[in-house]
Amino acid sequence: AQSVSQHNHHVILSEAASLELGCNYSYGGTVNLFWYVQYPGQHLQLLLKYFSGDPLVKGIKGFEAEFIKSKFSFNLRKPSVQWSDTAEYFCAVNAYSSASKIIFGSGTRLSIRP
Amino acid sequence: DSGVTQTPKHLITATGQRVTLRCSPRSGDLSVYWYQQSLDQGLQFLIQYYNGEERAKGNILERFSAQQFPDLHSELNLSSLELGDSALYFCASQGQGNNEQFFGPGTRLTVL
Repeated sequence: AQSVSQHNHHVILSEAASLELGCNYSYGGTVNLFWYVQYPGQHLQLLLKYFSGDPLVKGIKGFEAEFIKSKFSFNLRKPSVQWSDTAEYFCAVNAYSSASKIIFGSGTRLSIRP
Repeated sequence: DSGVTQTPKHLITATGQRVTLRCSPRSGDLSVYWYQQSLDQGLQFLIQYYNGEERAKGNILERFSAQQFPDLHSELNLSSLELGDSALYFCASQGQGNNEQFFGPGTRLTVL
């Protein structure tokens, strides 16, 4: 069965620090990959997505993610975080064979110290 | 604003009761997904409907059921409510050929 792992449950950083959140998935075929963000008290919003092409994907608010097929990974990065990045981040995977069902990771809570 | 609407925003009820949560997808989207988000379980996929038919089932309890109507809005019915059912319930819609899901604002259910 497909699964998505986010190993960091809670990450605490200071403003201007660099961020990398890990995401690994288990599926050997073609996948679409997503990162969603949930700001406190709000619904999930799409940060970025990878369908095909350049494995380095740029999203909104300065976020980027790199798809490394050999490592089954899609890590999220930001060179310099801001206090407003405090949120929960979810990695998600859709495998072409799964009738459009998207599997979400358990989420990583990011806290930024001002 | 994602274009997905959910009502009500908040719901407070007692154990043993039954509630109905409503979701209207983005215009033209045929797929509706329901998720439960709680502090201890995280984001859990419950069920998916596509154009009125059940397409996929996740960790949905037998006390819960859903349906999608001809106008594509969906309802999630939760019955014999327990304290542990207190959570945020999100619905998301998805268009054909586009695997991105758009989430609604959620319904916060509190069971007392």
